[in-house]
Amino acid sequence: GNSVTQMEGPVTLSEEAFLTINCTYTATGYPSLFWYVQYPGEGLQLLLKATKADDKGSNKGFEATYRKETTSFHLEKGSVQVSDSAVYFCALLLSGGYQKVTFGTGTKLQVIP
Amino acid sequence: DAEITQSPRHKITETGRQVTLACHQTWNHNNMFWYRQDLGHGLRLIHYSYGVQDTNKGEVSDGYSVSRSNTEDLPLTLESAASSQTSVYFCASSESVGQGWSTGELFFGEGSRLTVL
Repeated sequence: GNSVTQMEGPVTLSEEAFLTINCTYTATGYPSLFWYVQYPGEGLQLLLKATKADDKGSNKGFEATYRKETTSFHLEKGSVQVSDSAVYFCALLLSGGYQKVTFGTGTKLQVIP
Repeated sequence: DAEITQSPRHKITETGRQVTLACHQTWNHNNMFWYRQDLGHGLRLIHYSYGVQDTNKGEVSDGYSVSRSNTEDLPLTLESAASSQTSVYFCASSESVGQGWSTGELFFGEGSRLTVL
């Protein structure tokens, strides 16, 4: 079946540190890939996406590159801020037929001043 | 501005009672979804709808039902609440680019926290 695997959290970083959150996927076909972010007490919101191999999604200083050869979509940011503290979800959407988004289990990020 | 709203935001109920969580969106999206969020499980799909009168079961649909009588609303009903249904429930919608097709960008409500005692 289709699935998304994320690194276990929580991840605790100091402000201005480099962030990587790993995400790998299993899917039949060629999925689109997404990162969603959930700030405390809120619903999820789309952070970035990539629809085909080698595409790079970017937003708010975050980046992720769709790597078909390693079935990965790792999230990176060069310098995190306290306001980046949130739960990050990797997700995929298959093409063809009825479409449902499949989410990973989420990775909690805590940034300390 | 378009939005998606859920109510109630917090609910405490007793085992065996029927509970309905409301979801209303003003995006005019055809696709609507209900997820539950539990620690260690992330988001799991309960039910979804690709248009009026269309409903489908997700991966954890047992004990839940939905109905879609108009574009804006997809209420989620727990027919006989159980303690295992204590969770945070999220409604989401997405734009349709054809029957059942989606851009993958989901717009989420703020969630409904349900406690079943």
